[in-house]
Amino acid sequence: EVQLVESGGGLVQPGRSMKLSCAASGFTFNNYDMAWVCQAPKKGLEWVATISYDGSSTYYRDSVKGRFTISRDNAKSTLYLQMDSLRSEDTATYYCARHSANSHWYFDFWGPGTMVTVSS
Amino acid sequence: DIQMTQSPASLSASLGETVTIECRASEDIYNGLAWYQQKPGKSPQLLIYNANSLHTGVPSRFSGSGSGTQYSLKINSLQSEDVASYFCQQYYNYPLTFGSGTKLEIK
Repeated sequence: EVQLVESGGGLVQPGRSMKLSCAASGFTFNNYDMAWVCQAPKKGLEWVATISYDGSSTYYRDSVKGRFTISRDNAKSTLYLQMDSLRSEDTATYYCARHSANSHWYFDFWGPGTMVTVSS
Repeated sequence: DIQMTQSPASLSASLGETVTIECRASEDIYNGLAWYQQKPGKSPQLLIYNANSLHTGVPSRFSGSGSGTQYSLKINSLQSEDVASYFCQQYYNYPLTFGSGTKLEIK
């Protein structure tokens, strides 16, 4: 059974950092591109970042470029999101999501999410 | 960036009815479109990919259609468990973008 479980969320002050983790199981992690998608309270979905199966390529939305870093440890089947210089507008539930196996960038499986609140 | 305009924002229908949700892209996305269902308090789940391909395990009352810039999701024989928000997503190009969502309720 495919499982994605996020952790590391919580309350953080503006300007500070936070690192999210996503533990994957039930599939061959290093065969899949992975992503983070966020959803502000009562709002829609926003793609944040994607990393290729081997970590060689990364993609970011403009609003997080230079502040967020997506990475992965294939030996540990774990995806990460390092978030620096956090802003109040980064407050959201962050979902770890698996891209499809056929190199199309839709998401065929999502974790339950972890909430990040940026507030003083 | 490709903008995805989704309509309607909310929808109320009776059990057994057929409903349709629309998504319009700001440019041709060549069927690079997915639909997701998000039930209250849960994470999204994939319904449709490549505009009209049903994801594994999704009931056949869900179907997708469209091409170019215009796409739609149809739900036949509405069931109580279909109460959810529905989102479209284009994956033709980065940045990946979603529609604003449609909240479906039962009358």
